[in-house]
Amino acid sequence: LAKTTQPISMDSYEGQEVNITCSHNNIATNDYITWYQQFPSQGPRFIIQGYKTKVTNEVASLFIPADRKSSTLSLPRVSLSDTAVYYCLAQGGSYIPTFGRGTSLIVHP
Amino acid sequence: ETGVTQSPTHLIKTRGQQVTLRCSSQSGHNTVSWYQQALGQGPQFIFQYYREEENGRGNFPPRFSGLQFPNYSSELNVNALELDDSALYLCASSAGTGVYEQYFGPGTRLTVT
Repeated sequence: LAKTTQPISMDSYEGQEVNITCSHNNIATNDYITWYQQFPSQGPRFIIQGYKTKVTNEVASLFIPADRKSSTLSLPRVSLSDTAVYYCLAQGGSYIPTFGRGTSLIVHP
Repeated sequence: ETGVTQSPTHLIKTRGQQVTLRCSSQSGHNTVSWYQQALGQGPQFIFQYYREEENGRGNFPPRFSGLQFPNYSSELNVNALELDDSALYLCASSAGTGVYEQYFGPGTRLTVT
C-alpha cells in the first residue's frame, strides 16, 4: 500500500496560487494519484486525478514528475471558500484507499 | 442525477448496542465503500462492496459488517458498539472498483455513550 505524506497545514491569502505537495515514495506502477477536498461535517469531494505529467481541470492542476514519487496540487487564485482539508491518495488495483490526515488549508482575506 | 444519500444524519447509541447505517449510491454506480472518520483524522477505509460482494476490507474487526442490495444501495452494521466507534461514517459510491472517482455522501454522525 502506497503511503502518502503531506504538510499538516498551510496558510494563504485570497487571490494567491497555492501548491500542496504530496510525497508517495513507494507508489505502485498501477497507482493513480487522486486529490479530494473536504469541508467540515461533509464528505470528501473529488478534485483531480492523474498518473504522470500534468493534468488540469476547471478547478486545479496536478503535476506528477517522471519518477512519480511526489505530486503537487495547484489551486490558482484561491478564495475564502477554498479553506478546507485536502487529501492526497495513491489508489490502484489493490483497493485499500488510505487517506492520511490531509493538509488543512486556511485562506485569509 | 441523484447524489449519494445517507441515513440517518445523526444517531446516539449506548455502548453494547447495535446500529445500522444506510446508503443510497449515485445512479449508475455499482460500487460502494464505507469509511470511518474520527474527529481531526482522515477517513479510514472499512470495506467496499462491488455487485453485492465484499471486495476489500480495511483493518476493522468482524463486528463491522455490511450488505449491498441489487439496487446497489448498502448498509453498514456495527455490533457491540464501543465508545471509540463514535465517528462520522461516510459512504462513497463509484462506477467501479480501483481508480474510479468516488462520490461521497454527507455522512452519519454516530455518538456512542
